[in-house]
Order: sequence, then C-alpha cells, then structure tokens
Amino acid sequence: DVQMTQFPSVMSASVGDRVTITCRASQAISNSVAWYQQRPGKAPRLLIHSSSTLQSGVPPRFSGSSSGTEFSLTISGLQREDIGTYFCLQHNFYPPTFGRGTRVEVK
Amino acid sequence: QVQLQESGPGLVKPSETLSLNCSVSGGSLDPYYWSWIRQIPGKELEFIGYIFYSGSANYNPSLRGRVSMSVDTSKGQFSLNMRSVTAADTGIYYCARGRLQPDSWGQGALVTVSS
Repeated sequence: DVQMTQFPSVMSASVGDRVTITCRASQAISNSVAWYQQRPGKAPRLLIHSSSTLQSGVPPRFSGSSSGTEFSLTISGLQREDIGTYFCLQHNFYPPTFGRGTRVEVK
Repeated sequence: QVQLQESGPGLVKPSETLSLNCSVSGGSLDPYYWSWIRQIPGKELEFIGYIFYSGSANYNPSLRGRVSMSVDTSKGQFSLNMRSVTAADTGIYYCARGRLQPDSWGQGALVTVSS
C-alpha cells in the first residue's frame, strides 16, 4: 500500500497565521490527493480534491498544492473555527490510504 | 444536503460479527458508491471497502475474507459486516459517500470488541 507520511502531527498557531500541512507519498501518485478537516465531534469534511481543487462551499483561505510526491494544504489566515484535525488521502492506488493527521490548535 | 448516520451495537464479543448500518438522508443511494472507513486508536484511518448502489462491492485486500457489504435502496441504507472480530478491530467506523475520495461522511460509530 502507498504510505502517506503526514507532518507535523500537531501545530499550534495564532489567528491570522499562515499554516501549512504536508503529506509525502511513498511513490508517485499523480494528483490523486484529497484533504479533509475534522472538527471535534464532527464528521470529516472534504476540503480539497485532485490535489488543489477547492470543494464547493469551502472558504478560499484553504488551498492545496503539490511538488512531486509532496502534497500540501495551506490555510492562509487561520481562524478559530479551523481548530481540528486535518488529514490527507491518496486514491491513485487501491486501497486508498490516509495520512496520520495533523491536529491544529489556536494559541 | 446528504447526511449519513451510522448505527449498530457498540460492543461486540471476540470471534463474533460486527454489523453496522448507515442511513442516508437528503439524497438517494442512486447513482453513487458508498464506503466504510475505520480508525483504530493510534493508527491512521483505514479504508475498509465500497459498494455501488446496485450492489457490486470491492474490499480492502487486508480485510478481504472477513468483510461483506450490502445495500438496501428501498430503505436508503447500506451495511457492513465484519466476521471473526478481535480486539484489534476496536475503533470508530465511518460510512461515507464516494468510492475513492468520499465527499460526505457520517460522524462515526464507536465499536468496542471485548468479552
């Protein structure tokens, strides 16, 4: 299975900060990466698909990018409601595999 | 807006079968794929498998042989059965819409395997 190494595992930042989370794939996976947000006690929410396409209804402060086998999610201007866990998913190879998640805290 | 809700026993005995249902509201099972995903404590999310609204299914090879899924379009539900469970199957089980990058998820159901 493709391994998705996600880092950092925990990030603490201030409101308004730019936050970047990265997943590194164990092999080339094209742009077949999605990013999810899970707020405490809530269902996961799809933010980004196809590496950089914003899901409908998601605020534009969220963006995705890629370089080779590294994929990044950036929050440009962290808001308090962005508290939660973020995780990546690759679906280029079956079975789809996930990163371990990044818990984002607001200072 | 589609909503999904998992239901089923929260406690299952070792060697028995874990059974969960997912009720879909605000949308039809047709023409989508529907998935099950789980999170074991201390591990990353694990994809269990998916089923098409027509009933064809595909499972994670690591779980194949223990897992089966079914769909009941008349009830707006799909189901997961996992046989011969052990404590290592304890975790949160999610149902979701979509085959490879699900776009809507349930909140998850905690299932504990213990005698």
